[in-house]
Amino acid sequence: AQTVTQSQPEMSVQEAETVTLSCTYDTSESDYYLFWYKQPPSRQMILVIRQEAYKQQNATENRFSVNFQKAAKSFSLKISDSQLGDAAMYFCAYRSAMETSGSRLTFGEGTQLTVNP
Amino acid sequence: DAGVIQSPRHEVTEMGQEVTLRCKPISGHNSLFWYRQTMMRGLELLIYFNNNVPIDDSGMPEDRFSAKMPNASFSTLKIQPSEPRDSAVYFCASSLRGQGAYEQYFGPGTRLTVT
Repeated sequence: AQTVTQSQPEMSVQEAETVTLSCTYDTSESDYYLFWYKQPPSRQMILVIRQEAYKQQNATENRFSVNFQKAAKSFSLKISDSQLGDAAMYFCAYRSAMETSGSRLTFGEGTQLTVNP
Repeated sequence: DAGVIQSPRHEVTEMGQEVTLRCKPISGHNSLFWYRQTMMRGLELLIYFNNNVPIDDSGMPEDRFSAKMPNASFSTLKIQPSEPRDSAVYFCASSLRGQGAYEQYFGPGTRLTVT
């Protein structure tokens, strides 16, 4: 079974600075997808960014980018120019690409990000 | 387009009562997921459907939980009888299976409190 680990329960960053959230995962599969979701106080789960394991290029979405290290099974999220609205719980998630494994997302424990003005 | 719609947003009930949570997936999506979020266990998948058919219900905690998807635009999660340990936030998510990463889009959740 796959597992996802976020070793930082809490992180803080100054507004306009850059912060990196860590995520590691364990799998024996070679093809899979990785995601970062954001959960603000409204508790809505918002998809931030995704990465296909077969792609070497790191995904980028505006101020959000990832550092995907397949061999190390690491998938960190970098937030540049942090804004107050970035304050939220961030979840890393894994999904197998194998049809037989189904479509379930396996989530990490989450990292609570605080943005200080 | 409207996102995933869940109702009610909040539900407070007494132990032993039946609770029904409702979900309308994004139009055109063919996969639907029910998740539960608690402090102790985090986010966990309860059940998911492909084309209205339950595929994996191994996450359903016990027989008190049941889920149905009578058509492509509606699903219910029922707890009968409810217990205090069922208190959690229940999320519904949908995706379009058959295209790429099948990103799952979540509804706003239902916060259930069982007293």
